[in-house]
Amino acid sequence: SQQGEEDPQALSIQEGENATMNCSYKTSINNLQWYRQNSGRGLVHLILIRSNEREKHSGRLRVTLDTSKKSSSLLITASRAADTASYFCASISGTYKYIFGTGTRLKVLA
Amino acid sequence: DTGVSQDPRHKITKRGQNVTFRCDPISEHNRLYWYRQTLGQGPEFLTYFQNEAQLEKSRLLSDRFSAERPKGSFSTLEIQRTEQGDSAMYLCASALEGSPYNEQFFGPGTRLTVL
Repeated sequence: SQQGEEDPQALSIQEGENATMNCSYKTSINNLQWYRQNSGRGLVHLILIRSNEREKHSGRLRVTLDTSKKSSSLLITASRAADTASYFCASISGTYKYIFGTGTRLKVLA
Repeated sequence: DTGVSQDPRHKITKRGQNVTFRCDPISEHNRLYWYRQTLGQGPEFLTYFQNEAQLEKSRLLSDRFSAERPKGSFSTLEIQRTEQGDSAMYLCASALEGSPYNEQFFGPGTRLTVL
């Protein structure tokens, strides 16, 4: 399969805690993106990190990228019940081909 | 609503029938993608259009699958002689070439069930 792997597959935390999910990909990339998918809804873009960047922040999101290990992590700080969703990384090689990971299903308990 | 729309949202068909799905991207977006997503998995790339040109087609797509984007606007995905293994969510996404964040905007998907 072309798909990247995400770890853990499922994560359950209490509201206010931080959530960390990891993604590994297989090919060299131009950039990597993270998407969120709520149950029964489409995917929504969260954040992009380029191959020459190591860390990126957006609000409560922090993304890191280690191209030598072909891995990325997404940290959500001070989680809320509304963060309950599946999170996918998407690696982009070339100019347009997106390879999505298998996803992490996050559940935030109120 | 100026987002990506897909029609129908749900399709139930019998094995062996043909089905066609439509995707209307965001109007100024010149890139259009089709993906397939099964339960518990991430989206799998099927095909990509830049304007009306189909630039890449995944090896996942058998010759029963065909996609078009005749005028560089809406796109259709047809599955001929459907099989039970075709049951999945079919997602369409569009993007604007040169956008700073290179993000894709996804539609709500068409859920296909093949009986």
